[in-house]
Amino acid sequence: DQQVKQNSPSLSVQEGRISILNCDYTNSMFDYFLWYKKYPAEGPTFLISISSIKDKNEDGRFTVFLNKSAKHLSLHIVPSQPGDSAVYFCAASEEDEGAQKLVFGQGTRLTINP
Amino acid sequence: EADIYQTPRYLVIGTGKKITLECSQTMGHDKMYWYQQDPGMELHLIHYSYGVNSTEKGDLSSESTVSRIRTEHFPLTLESARPSHTSQYLCATARAGVKTQYFGPGTRLLVL
Repeated sequence: DQQVKQNSPSLSVQEGRISILNCDYTNSMFDYFLWYKKYPAEGPTFLISISSIKDKNEDGRFTVFLNKSAKHLSLHIVPSQPGDSAVYFCAASEEDEGAQKLVFGQGTRLTINP
Repeated sequence: EADIYQTPRYLVIGTGKKITLECSQTMGHDKMYWYQQDPGMELHLIHYSYGVNSTEKGDLSSESTVSRIRTEHFPLTLESARPSHTSQYLCATARAGVKTQYFGPGTRLLVL
């Protein structure tokens, strides 16, 4: 049973517009959430994170929103740039028998069109 | 410069061979992790370590083994590679008490 889901496998956005990537989770014990960006044949790059005690965190063009009641988080990128084209993974952190682990979604491939 | 290194980046090998994937870091982080990712799928945790001589299995069952003899080094070994081991293997690190993990560039393994 997948605890973190990214239901959109792909998203296409015009350059300069807003990109919104969504992520849903089922485990209410998750207390920290992260977004990673991944280019082909490279490792994921950390983008932004949010603690479960907050509902918004902003860093430059990237903003993450957390809706705990809906168990939903989203990543907003504005304005979108061609270099943002990549696969984006959301991840959730849980404490499991004293170990801190990340659970990942399947990723959304974002394409920014000029 | 603080970084995470993985070698080799790409490996094509025959069935039955023993392989070791290297991961080393100059981040100064105590925690290290190995993930496995198939194309189009999520990352799955296969091993982790919280320090020297500490190793634990992750959520995804794996036939690989790991060791942590030095803080900066966390190699992964497959005693007998099989085609089902074909995947991308990603190493990550994190500072003690911090939840953000940082990833190396990965190793793409193809077992024929």
